[in-house]
Amino acid sequence: NAGVTQTPKFQVLKTGQSMTLQCAQDMNHEYMSWYRQDPGMGLRLIHYSVGAGITDQGEVPNGYNVSRSTTEDFPLRLLSAAPSQTSVYFCASSYSVRGTMNTEAFFGQGTRLTVV
Amino acid sequence: GESVGLHLPTLSVQEGDNSIINCAYSNSASDYFIWYKQESGKGPQFIIDIRSNMDKRQGQRVTVLLNKTVKHLSLQIAATQPGDSAVYFCAEKEAAGNKLTFGGGTRVLVKP
Repeated sequence: NAGVTQTPKFQVLKTGQSMTLQCAQDMNHEYMSWYRQDPGMGLRLIHYSVGAGITDQGEVPNGYNVSRSTTEDFPLRLLSAAPSQTSVYFCASSYSVRGTMNTEAFFGQGTRLTVV
Repeated sequence: GESVGLHLPTLSVQEGDNSIINCAYSNSASDYFIWYKQESGKGPQFIIDIRSNMDKRQGQRVTVLLNKTVKHLSLQIAATQPGDSAVYFCAEKEAAGNKLTFGGGTRVLVKP
């Protein structure tokens, strides 16, 4: 049981490049989400999904797109990378109860992204 | 917007002693308060949660206390071990919400 798997673990991008961060979970969780973590700060929600075909914005969605075509996968796309997007990105999943996430979220190992 | 307010202090604890990590929150509408542990190079890991209608909940070596009057949350770790060294985050969630709002974290260092 792999849990939540994120790829890549590290990435360096040039300003203006685009890329997709991959996230997959094998726990059949309906809820998935993306957070970013900046030094000395907690995690901030970028986008989330309560099920396949459904996505919604979190606190800091600008510059990111998501899609949820399957229950297992929830990729995060950076459209045109900016230095302000240098961060560590975490994907998380959880069970849902009546369409609402559980308090116990399972996080991936993170992707450390540097935009130069 | 409202957020869980927790700066990033460092708590140094002697191995075997008890640790107390504190957190202040501001959203009165939150229904759940949660503690996560993040070890270096890893993603956060759920420790324990407490509903807003409770004031205390115990787990294995951990106790969470909730004081709604002063909007304060704490995590007590009994007999702190080297494996407890990590950054601890408090978070909050509304019952019908799909967002965890995290505080800034507290680093716990366990001295042998």
